[in-house]
Amino acid sequence: DAGITQSPRHKVTETGTPVTLRCHQTENHRYMYWYRQDPGHGLRLIHYSYGVKDTDKGEVSDGYSVSRSKTEDFLLTLESATSSQTSVYFCAISSGFEQFFGPGTRLTVL
Amino acid sequence: EDQVTQSPEALRLQEGESSSLNCSYTVSGLRGLFWYRQDPGKGPEFLFTLYSAGEEKEKERLKATLTKKESFLHITAPKPEDSATYLCAVHRGDSNYQLIWGAGTKLIIKP
Repeated sequence: DAGITQSPRHKVTETGTPVTLRCHQTENHRYMYWYRQDPGHGLRLIHYSYGVKDTDKGEVSDGYSVSRSKTEDFLLTLESATSSQTSVYFCAISSGFEQFFGPGTRLTVL
Repeated sequence: EDQVTQSPEALRLQEGESSSLNCSYTVSGLRGLFWYRQDPGKGPEFLFTLYSAGEEKEKERLKATLTKKESFLHITAPKPEDSATYLCAVHRGDSNYQLIWGAGTKLIIKP
């Protein structure tokens, strides 16, 4: 158990509304990641963080922002949700080279 | 361009019927190849890391091997509980921490 929780686990929202997903870790790892997973695609990196207030973009960052004010929390925000952002979102942490994943958040944008 | 391709997309086997899943990759300077298992509705679960050609890792009925161009996940005498999607990933050549993921192989083991 990598000690990673995500909230909420499920969310339905409407187009144009802001949405924030939370990732919380209990093991003080420096690196944290947000991915999205869609049918037919591999996991795609949205943003990652290499320390408090240190973040960088991944391959699909448009429409998403992140914040990390504490080591244990990494927030993903959709400023104005669109239907193309309907997906399953996973948070991960690095321990050495390996990454360990949270249980995911299923987001539906109507 | 760094890329990971997994095949087949889906594989149906009878219980006890051994087989292999393939992960082919192109990356400038492999720093690590990773295998994960993902059950429906859950996050990926780490299985193995392989670092260099010729390396092998085993866990129960699973054995992962690595060459300079691909990795195989061999499943020996599988059971229905081995049914899952198996994911492969490699480190990007220019990054120690960003991974490139394959789309996965969905494995179904019928009793």
